[in-house]
Amino acid sequence: GAGVSQSPSNKVTEKGKDVELRCDPISGHTALYWYRQSLGQGLEFLIYFQGNSAPDKSGLPSDRFSAERTGGSVSTLTIQRTQQEDSAVYLCASSQARGSGNSPLHFGNGTRLTVT
Amino acid sequence: KNQVEQSPQSLIILEGKNCTLQCNYTVSPFSNLRWYKQDTGRGPVSLTIMTFSENTKSNGRYTATLDADTKQSSLHITASQLSDSASYICVVDDSWGKLQFGAGTQVVVTP
Repeated sequence: GAGVSQSPSNKVTEKGKDVELRCDPISGHTALYWYRQSLGQGLEFLIYFQGNSAPDKSGLPSDRFSAERTGGSVSTLTIQRTQQEDSAVYLCASSQARGSGNSPLHFGNGTRLTVT
Repeated sequence: KNQVEQSPQSLIILEGKNCTLQCNYTVSPFSNLRWYKQDTGRGPVSLTIMTFSENTKSNGRYTATLDADTKQSSLHITASQLSDSASYICVVDDSWGKLQFGAGTQVVVTP
């Protein structure tokens, strides 16, 4: 496909369970971001991958959150022992490079996570 | 404190009318300022990107302005259509490539 693809689009899980969210970026985009969006709030940065460099994990809210990017393409965001406050929309975006001036972010449609 | 503040939080306008959304930021130094449109249940889509040296940029009926001295930007929607109903997000890119997001302005266009 031409755009960023995220799966699943919706996920309902019980408190304490682990979840995995997947992101397929646009082919050729070296930069990949994960954001969290809560109702009425701005996007909250979670983690950033750029090529083969070490990821910027400065936005991860706790050690229950982790992400990896395999082969410089597909990324998975894992949340362990989910809590109700983890409920949000998780957005993935890709771009040609971070801070590359006029390179826009291309977002997926997000995964809506509900922790019951 | 959020470094990107948007106003109003929400607004309702009649189809065919114009409206202007505001964005004030404190991010400094900054590389560029972006406006995104986010339809309900979808990811944000880029409308405009302006560097600090640009004052205005248009994308169809959307026109963004930037005053880097006062750290203010606006997004003007001309002749609004029902499809303009969405959240509009102002994003400031600092010089190190970190993006600061505003909370968005929710626009509702009514027939």
